[in-house]
Amino acid sequence: DVKVTQSSRYLVKRTGEKVFLECVQDMDHENMFWYRQDPGLGLRLIYFSYDVKMKEKGDIPEGYSVSREKKERFSLILESASTNQTSMYLCATYGTSGYNEQFFGPGTRLTVL
Amino acid sequence: GENVEQHPSTLSVQEGDSAVIKCTYSDSASNYFPWYKQELGKRPQLIIDIRSNVGEKKDQRIAVTLNKTAKHFSLHITETQPEDSAVYFCAASINDYKLSFGAGTTVTVRA
Repeated sequence: DVKVTQSSRYLVKRTGEKVFLECVQDMDHENMFWYRQDPGLGLRLIYFSYDVKMKEKGDIPEGYSVSREKKERFSLILESASTNQTSMYLCATYGTSGYNEQFFGPGTRLTVL
Repeated sequence: GENVEQHPSTLSVQEGDSAVIKCTYSDSASNYFPWYKQELGKRPQLIIDIRSNVGEKKDQRIAVTLNKTAKHFSLHITETQPEDSAVYFCAASINDYKLSFGAGTTVTVRA
């Protein structure tokens, strides 16, 4: 059973703060993703990583960076949080062998005041 | 990049009736089309997918159809039940893993 966990379910930060969101998976999946979910906009890809230390920009990377130092861990960093980054953030993983499903974490509801 | 449009944004159906959600995509190179279901407060989960070499796929009460020429695909849920109430997302991809999602459809099944 794939387990994808995220460091916090709810987070409240102030404008200008540096924010770290962490995702950990236990399935040895090569690919990891960060999405944000907003009503009426669906799931939008921020960044993804297909291997350790490798990353690619998604559709909305502005204001975000990522880090993947170990295969099981993928971090999303908001360098200077802004109110328009208030959102639900979802991490997902995908393995290249077997089933095609992206496995999602429980999400982090981030509020930037 | 790929642009996926999904309609309707909300759908209310009587229990036992059918529900249809439609999506269009822009990149003719897309060849993988999954559907995810997200129940309230839970994470999205894959419910069915289809590849571009197949026109239709069924799994019990759900089916997906694909029209490559028109670049649209649809999700059909028959004999809807209360547990079908959720947000449904379509997606398109050219490589299986980098997905472009639609905006989502909130389905409510009325008892």
